[in-house]
Amino acid sequence: EAGVTQFPSHSVIEKGQTVTLRCDPISGHDNLYWYRRVMGKEIKFLLHFVKESKQDESGMPNNRFLAERTGGTYSTLKVQPAELEDSGVYFCASSRGRSLSYNEQFFGPGTRLTVL
Amino acid sequence: DAKTTQPPSMDCAEGRAANLPCNHSTISGNEYVYWYRQIHSQGPQYIIHGLKNNETNEMASLIITEDRKSSTLILPHATLRDTAVYYCIVRVPPSNRDDKIIFGKGTRLHILP
Repeated sequence: EAGVTQFPSHSVIEKGQTVTLRCDPISGHDNLYWYRRVMGKEIKFLLHFVKESKQDESGMPNNRFLAERTGGTYSTLKVQPAELEDSGVYFCASSRGRSLSYNEQFFGPGTRLTVL
Repeated sequence: DAKTTQPPSMDCAEGRAANLPCNHSTISGNEYVYWYRQIHSQGPQYIIHGLKNNETNEMASLIITEDRKSSTLILPHATLRDTAVYYCIVRVPPSNRDDKIIFGKGTRLHILP
């Protein structure tokens, strides 16, 4: 079974540009999560999809960030326009659903975003 | 904010058992204890979880005190590949709307050759 995949692995852009990160969850996983770690800080939750619906977007830092999950499969996270403080590693995770007692989240390798 | 307290770093000799402590004195009755780790340049990886009984899997053992206010993750025979940041997390069951993981600072475990 393939794990969570993320693309690209690295992205270097200039301030003011737009970047789109993609996450492909494990097949059949209804839940998809975005997290990020900015330099020197803890990993922080951004948002949670259940299928194509946003269940919780309380961690989205501002309206420059837009996440979508059309069709309930892969998800994209767009940053427009990017700012210097957006630099960090963006992780995606997926989990099967809420019928289980533990709801283990499987993480992708992350996308390292550098804004110059 | 994270509901757990962990030492910022620990060392362990290769081949020895690594015992990582975690305090979670405000844990609620329906909250589970989870452990994740992040190896450098990889995404976080689930290790183990428990409610009140001790648990063991192929990666580790989890010992939870009877009052559930603290726990210990045990890596029985640490290898260099176990060098990582280990996160102790308390979470409600998935039936609750609050499904996100709050990672905290974790413990940076160094396995020494």
